[in-house]
Amino acid sequence: GAGVSQTPSNKVTEKGKYVELRCDPISGHTALYWYRQSLGQGPEFLIYFQGTGAADDSGLPNDRFFAVRPEGSVSTLKIQRTERGDSAVYLCASSPQGAGSPLHFGNGTRLTVT
Amino acid sequence: RKEVEQDPGPFNVPEGATVAFNCTYSNSASQSFFWYRQDCRKEPKLLMSVYSSGNEDGRFTAQLNRASQYISLLIRDSKLSDSATYLCVVSLGPSGAGSYQLTFGKGTKLSVIP
Repeated sequence: GAGVSQTPSNKVTEKGKYVELRCDPISGHTALYWYRQSLGQGPEFLIYFQGTGAADDSGLPNDRFFAVRPEGSVSTLKIQRTERGDSAVYLCASSPQGAGSPLHFGNGTRLTVT
Repeated sequence: RKEVEQDPGPFNVPEGATVAFNCTYSNSASQSFFWYRQDCRKEPKLLMSVYSSGNEDGRFTAQLNRASQYISLLIRDSKLSDSATYLCVVSLGPSGAGSYQLTFGKGTKLSVIP
């Protein structure tokens, strides 16, 4: 079946611009996560949704970052006034509700801020 | 101190060799432990969960030492296809990997040489 889909796969933007990154989770998965991975680092937690609500947004680095999941399926990560330090691969993952469920990651969006 | 620490490697081993990776975690309240595998420019994928009693999956053996807050992964009879980065992952949640925030280490790079 279809896995987690992220679009775009690559995004190049200028410093100061606004970007939106989209994640389409596996159908039926209620939990959705956003992670950020910089070169040579492990994925860093940003935010976790259970259904439509953000259950844990403690990983968002500052108020330029915001994420929504209005219908409990597709999620959008929004970054305002992008900075060069925002350049990274943004990974989305989903999992079915319940214990013992592994995270299924998408291929990520590679964001480059010039 | 980093929450999850791993030797970044690289570990360069010949085919057929046995190789072991170690990982330490700082939060003694951690309850769930995993090894993920990440190929170059790909998303992380769950390799195996790590249970208190230790567990084995084919050529892979995972061990957990709660007292020392230490996790290990042993790969026997290494194959060329084992070349990847191995990420140590820790969660405060129960064994449901999909239910709680995962904290990733930076990863240990393995290259299996013909």
